[in-house]
Amino acid sequence: GQNIDQPTEMTATEGAIVQINCTYQTSGFNGLFWYQQHAGEAPTFLSYNVLDGLEEKGRFSSFLSRSKGYSYLLLKELQMKDSASYLCAVREAGAGSYQLTFGKGTKLSVIP
Amino acid sequence: EAGVTQFPSHSVIEKGQTVTLRCDPISGHDNLYWYRRVMGKEIKFLLHFVKESKQDESGMPNNRFLAERTGGTYSTLKVQPAELEDSGVYFCASSQEHTYEQYFGPGTRLTVT
Repeated sequence: GQNIDQPTEMTATEGAIVQINCTYQTSGFNGLFWYQQHAGEAPTFLSYNVLDGLEEKGRFSSFLSRSKGYSYLLLKELQMKDSASYLCAVREAGAGSYQLTFGKGTKLSVIP
Repeated sequence: EAGVTQFPSHSVIEKGQTVTLRCDPISGHDNLYWYRRVMGKEIKFLLHFVKESKQDESGMPNNRFLAERTGGTYSTLKVQPAELEDSGVYFCASSQEHTYEQYFGPGTRLTVT
């Protein structure tokens, strides 16, 4: 089984940088995903890490350390529209199993 | 390109009734997944189709839930009979290859009263 932990809520100021952490414990690992979800909408894919290191995509970056079971999502130059829930999800390694296991999500509030 | 669509967006039914949820994946995506989020909990996996075959249904809670994907295109998830604990948001996702990212639909909010 898997256990994924991320902070419940965070608040940050417009224009600032925020880091959302995610720790996981898994019997197998086949990638970590970050999704953004605005209230009442579909989760939207942000990033994917399967190897250790930093993946950068515009204002968003995601980091992974497999040995530590740790990832973070870094959001730069925060905008009001970045207020949303950010979901950390791990894909488990295993024959025929490609399901994602999600954390409860981090609700980010961006304030002026 | 159209995204994943789900119907209905909301459904309110009484305990003991039957409800059928529909998911249309992105065209060309062989992999289709169902997930559920109950109040206050995380999104949880229900099952995974590859084309019309069930690849993994380890997350299905019990035999009141039946998922089908005849023809390998759209999928339905039927709950019969519905219980109060089935209330939640049911998400569908699809991916081109199982190793690729999954694209989610907006979900169906099911309320069982």
